[in-house]
Amino acid sequence: EAGVAQSPRYKIIEKRQSVAFWCNPISGHATLYWYQQILGQGPKLLIQFQNNGVVDDSQLPKDRFSAERLKGVDSTLKIQPAKLEDSAVYLCASSSLQDRNYGYTFGSGTRLTVV
Amino acid sequence: SQQGEEDPQALSIQEGENATMNCSYKTSINNLQWYRQNSGRGLVHLILIRSNEREKHSGRLRVTLDTSKKSSSLLITASRAADTASYFCATATLSGYSTLTFGKGTMLLVSP
Repeated sequence: EAGVAQSPRYKIIEKRQSVAFWCNPISGHATLYWYQQILGQGPKLLIQFQNNGVVDDSQLPKDRFSAERLKGVDSTLKIQPAKLEDSAVYLCASSSLQDRNYGYTFGSGTRLTVV
Repeated sequence: SQQGEEDPQALSIQEGENATMNCSYKTSINNLQWYRQNSGRGLVHLILIRSNEREKHSGRLRVTLDTSKKSSSLLITASRAADTASYFCATATLSGYSTLTFGKGTMLLVSP
């Protein structure tokens, strides 16, 4: 089975610019997650989707971050405007409601550098 | 906020030795999971242990869970250079949609 696809792999932008990341989860996985991982730290959940709906976005900086999941499949995460502290790896993951005891499948991530 | 805290932060061993990493957490959990992350890559799920389980094995991995102490350990036996990576514990809570909360990780270096 294909894994979780993310693009781009790397992105360098200047502060105050905008950027978007794309994620395609494993086919059939109802739940999709975006995590932010700052260098030297563990991943921190930004937002969780169940099909089309948001079930947890409590740690998403909503003044600059937004995310959507189209038709319960692909998802995009946007930052506008970016700040220096947004430099991190953005990880997308998906999981199945039926296989909740098998963990998440992560994509390779997008490494964002804000200069 | 981070639920799990791994110990040690870094561990350096020789090939063939065993590596033990510990994880402590704060609130009641549904399950605890361990993930591996190679440099610059995504996380790979290693093993999941439910709150009603005490020990689980998968190949060279052994995980224990002590819910009374709110702690878990990951043992990698007969380590190899390819085991060099960061290891994270993640906890899934009892309520809601069971979101995973990750610790800061243990960086393991296995030297040939």
